[in-house]
Amino acid sequence: IAGITQAPTSQILAAGRRMTLRCTQDMRHNAMYWYRQDLGLGLRLIHYSNTAGTTGKGEVPDGYSVSRANTDDFPLTLASAVPSQTSVYFCASSDSSTEFTTGELFFGEGSRLTVL
Amino acid sequence: GQNIDQPTEMTATEGAIVQINCTYQTSGFNGLFWYQQHAGEAPTFLSYNVLDGLEEKGRFSSFLSRSKGYSYLLLKELQMKDSASYLCAVMDSNYQLIWGAGTKLIIKP
Repeated sequence: IAGITQAPTSQILAAGRRMTLRCTQDMRHNAMYWYRQDLGLGLRLIHYSNTAGTTGKGEVPDGYSVSRANTDDFPLTLASAVPSQTSVYFCASSDSSTEFTTGELFFGEGSRLTVL
Repeated sequence: GQNIDQPTEMTATEGAIVQINCTYQTSGFNGLFWYQQHAGEAPTFLSYNVLDGLEEKGRFSSFLSRSKGYSYLLLKELQMKDSASYLCAVMDSNYQLIWGAGTKLIIKP
């Protein structure tokens, strides 16, 4: 049982390049989230999706976009990467039935992104 | 604004007991979570408190006082594998999770 799979694990890219972080879950959870984690700061929500076909903006959405075409996949795209987007990105899911009514969050192993 | 405060770092000895505090000011309250995160790994769920009092789960216990905006995570019989960061998170009235920056716990032999 994989749970949540993120790819790539680590990536270095040049500023201005487009990058998509992939996230797939096999738990049939309806809610999915993208967080970034930076040293000295708490996890910050980028975007979320309560169910397939819907997405919403979190605390720090600028420069990022997401899509939720089906239950399992929730890719995060950086249209034109900037150095301030250097961070560790975590995808998470939960079995929630209403907006942000989350129980336990299940996290992927993270994607370490460096933008030069 | 909304705020979660927890100590940046704590040190404890193997076999001992340690208490990690978390204070919060949020717009409403719908529960408080503790997660454990080992270095370079994903956070994993430890506990959830929504009512005042102590929740015990093996060597770990979590306490909540809603009137004081305060929680603590108590770790007993510390083991070297407990060296990790411990994240406190509060769900506000909009059911959004507000995260603390985490407490790095260092266990010494």
